[in-house]
This record gives sequence, structure tokens and C-alpha cells, in this order.
Amino acid sequence: SQQGEEDPQALSIQEGENATMNCSYKTSINNLQWYRQNSGRGLVHLILIRSNEREKHSGRLRVTLDTSKKSSSLLITASRAADTASYFCATEIQGAQKLVFGQGTRLTINP
Amino acid sequence: DTAVSQTPKYLVTQMGNDKSIKCEQNLGHDTMYWYKQDSKKFLKIMFSYNNKELIINETVPNRFSPKSPDKAHLNLHINSLELGDSAVYFCASSQSPWKLPTNEKLFFGSGTQLSVL
Repeated sequence: SQQGEEDPQALSIQEGENATMNCSYKTSINNLQWYRQNSGRGLVHLILIRSNEREKHSGRLRVTLDTSKKSSSLLITASRAADTASYFCATEIQGAQKLVFGQGTRLTINP
Repeated sequence: DTAVSQTPKYLVTQMGNDKSIKCEQNLGHDTMYWYKQDSKKFLKIMFSYNNKELIINETVPNRFSPKSPDKAHLNLHINSLELGDSAVYFCASSQSPWKLPTNEKLFFGSGTQLSVL
């Protein structure tokens, strides 16, 4: 199985609700990043959290990191239709010169 | 003002053909990458180059050959295309010379959808 695995694979909520996505990984990391991918487009970086950080905010985004559980969560508050996209977590693995992505969570915001 | 641009956006070709995808970044970044996204949206690194030097070759078949004429360009040439090569290929870049930990974010191109018939 992969280094990063998102859960759920798909999430559908009403506009205005909060959306929570989770990511689990297997090995020690330097940092964990979240990216958004709109349909037919490239990935866009959202937020980076370092291994010594526990929580980070950016606008309506809140990311938590629990290195003891090797997991992270991305919370999007007050969702909007424009938040409809796939969300990927990516981990920079310690000792490896690469960023490893999960399979993504497909988020649909219903108006 | 496209930061990372790759061409073509769509590529439809027959099995056995040879094709190339080009990528250019105008961000002044030192490191560039190729990622492959399969039909299940899983994104996997293929290659990375730092200032024209190959850093990562992630057990990709020899039919795939990256070429970096300068640090702003990283092209991907694919020989003898196979059905399983059908995917979306993304070019990306990051700022600093590769050292660990980088704590760098990646900037992605918009992707090349390759369909092998």
C-alpha cells in the first residue's frame, strides 16, 4: 500500500458545511503537505505543516498533524461550491529526496 | 504568466509510437519533476532533476527518458508507447537546490493527458 492514504475517498456535503479529510502515512516525515486539484487541472499547493508542528491555519483551512499516529487532517470550514475538487496529502519522507502523494479525496460541495 | 507550462495538453497516439512532452518553468526554480497520475488519480513520481542533474529515477521503464537542456526545461520522451502508458503526466518544479529536508512546495503544470490506442 502507499505511503499516504486519504480517507474518505469521496465526500459530498452541502454548501456551508465543514469538510474533513484525513491522511495516514507509514514512515517518518519531514513535513506533510496538502494540495488541491480541480478537474482537468494541475495540483495547487494549499498548506505545509512541518513534523514539529501540530496545527496550522490558512484562511478557511485548518490542518492538524499527529506524528505519533502518523496521521493528518484537513478541515475546510464554511465550504463553498468552488471548493469542489480532489484533495491530496503529500509527505516528504525523511532521508528520501521526494514528495509522495496519496490517492486523494474527491470533495463535492452541493449548492 | 504561466509558471509551469507543459505541452501538449492532449496527446493521442498509437501503440509503438514515440512521443515527447515538453515542460518549461519561468519561476527560476532549480528542481523539476515528472509525475504520472493514473486512472485512479494516484500520483506517482517518475523523475526529478536538480539543475540539469538527475536526482530521482523511480524504477521507470527505460522507454521513458527525461532530458533537461537547462534548469528551466525538463522534457519527457517516451519510446514504443504501450497501452499502460495512458495516464496524465504532470511536470512540477520547486525552488531550492535539493537538500534535505527541503520543506519546499511544488508548483505543477496543468498536465498532459496521454491516450495510447
